[in-house]
Amino acid sequence: AQKITQTQPGMFVQEKEAVTLDCTYDTSDQSYGLFWYKQPSSGEMIFLIYQGSYDEQNATEGRYSLNFQKARKSANLVISASQLGDSAMYFCAMRLRQVFGPGTRLSVLP
Amino acid sequence: EAGVAQSPRYKIIEKRQSVAFWCNPISGHATLYWYQQILGQGPKLLIQFQNNGVVDDSQLPKDRFSAERLKGVDSTLKIQPAKLEDSAVYLCASSPSWGDQETQYFGPGTRLLVL
Repeated sequence: AQKITQTQPGMFVQEKEAVTLDCTYDTSDQSYGLFWYKQPSSGEMIFLIYQGSYDEQNATEGRYSLNFQKARKSANLVISASQLGDSAMYFCAMRLRQVFGPGTRLSVLP
Repeated sequence: EAGVAQSPRYKIIEKRQSVAFWCNPISGHATLYWYQQILGQGPKLLIQFQNNGVVDDSQLPKDRFSAERLKGVDSTLKIQPAKLEDSAVYLCASSPSWGDQETQYFGPGTRLLVL
């Protein structure tokens, strides 16, 4: 069975600083995708970044980057230059099977 | 391009009543997903359709939940009869196809409260 673990229920970061949100996963599949989503208080799920299991380079999308360590089965999200609008729940998810982690609530302090 | 549409946005019912949710995916998306998100938790997949066929419904409580996707486009999710523990946000998502690299696009969700 596949499983996603996010060990940080809540995180605080000062505006303009970088923050890392942890994600570890467990799967016996050889091919899989790892995703990060942002869920603001309004409830919509917003796609942030994707990493394929066979991708050799870490994914980057603007201020978001993914620190992918396949041997350790971790896919941490790094947000650089945090903004107040980054305050939200963040979910790590795995495909092919649709599995989400419990989420991390990020609060950005002014 | 229009996003995933869901209705209603909010629903309050009493236990043992029935309720139905509707989802219209992004045009051309073959794969459609229904998730249940209980407050404070991550989404849990209930059912996945590829066109109008079911790919995965292993976590759907089939004694009370049912879903269909007629003609491979719109989908409805029904709960009958509802229980208190069904209070949650029901998210619909779609993707162009079924693959581990396919991004899912989510609708705004339907918030269900069962009293």
